[in-house]
Amino acid sequence: AQSVTQLDSHVSVSEGTPVLLRCNYSSSYSPSLFWYVQHPNKGLQLLLKYTSAATLVKGINGFEAEFKKSETSFHLTKPSAHMSDAAEYFCVVSDPRATDSWGKLQFGAGTQVVVTP
Amino acid sequence: GAVVSQHPSRVICKSGTSVKIECRSLDFQATTMFWYRQFPKKSLMLMATSNEGSKATYEQGVEKDKFLINHASLTLSTLTVTSAHPEDSSFYICSANTGTGIGYTFGSGTRLTVV
Repeated sequence: AQSVTQLDSHVSVSEGTPVLLRCNYSSSYSPSLFWYVQHPNKGLQLLLKYTSAATLVKGINGFEAEFKKSETSFHLTKPSAHMSDAAEYFCVVSDPRATDSWGKLQFGAGTQVVVTP
Repeated sequence: GAVVSQHPSRVICKSGTSVKIECRSLDFQATTMFWYRQFPKKSLMLMATSNEGSKATYEQGVEKDKFLINHASLTLSTLTVTSAHPEDSSFYICSANTGTGIGYTFGSGTRLTVV
């Protein structure tokens, strides 16, 4: 079984300050992990993904995440928040060996990011 | 590359009618597509896995007869909400695995409002 927990439902940061979105996962195997961003009434855009290569993953728009197996974490960070970063962020886990060959995506509950001027 | 096109983006229908939502993979073949439902300020809930040329696999608690899924070709999956009721109002999103390093890609979603 696989699951993912986003520790913060809401994060508020000032423009130009760092952003940290926390995510913990559980998986029976070695999972693939993703971070997606969703702007209001829009689909999901992939920020970055981890698939058992480098543990520090760099994504788009200055985001990065570090896979820590010992802590079962995959926290998302950005050094300096921009107003356009205000959105909903989802941490997602997938186990390629679960159920079907591609694996089902298990979504976290989401973290709403608010950026203040 | 690896774009999933979802239509319509927004639809309003009367209670009791049916609505069809299309999801197309534009530049790749998708043997498997996924349909999600998202309630306001909530996460995505997997409804079903759509398999080309075979029956869809529904998640527990999802009514098969209400949410009809057809995946007749490698580039098209459709979700039909039959006899829609106001409680079916939601944001529906499709997804496909591109089979490349990109991984999963999502449609832009469909906002369904049943009045």
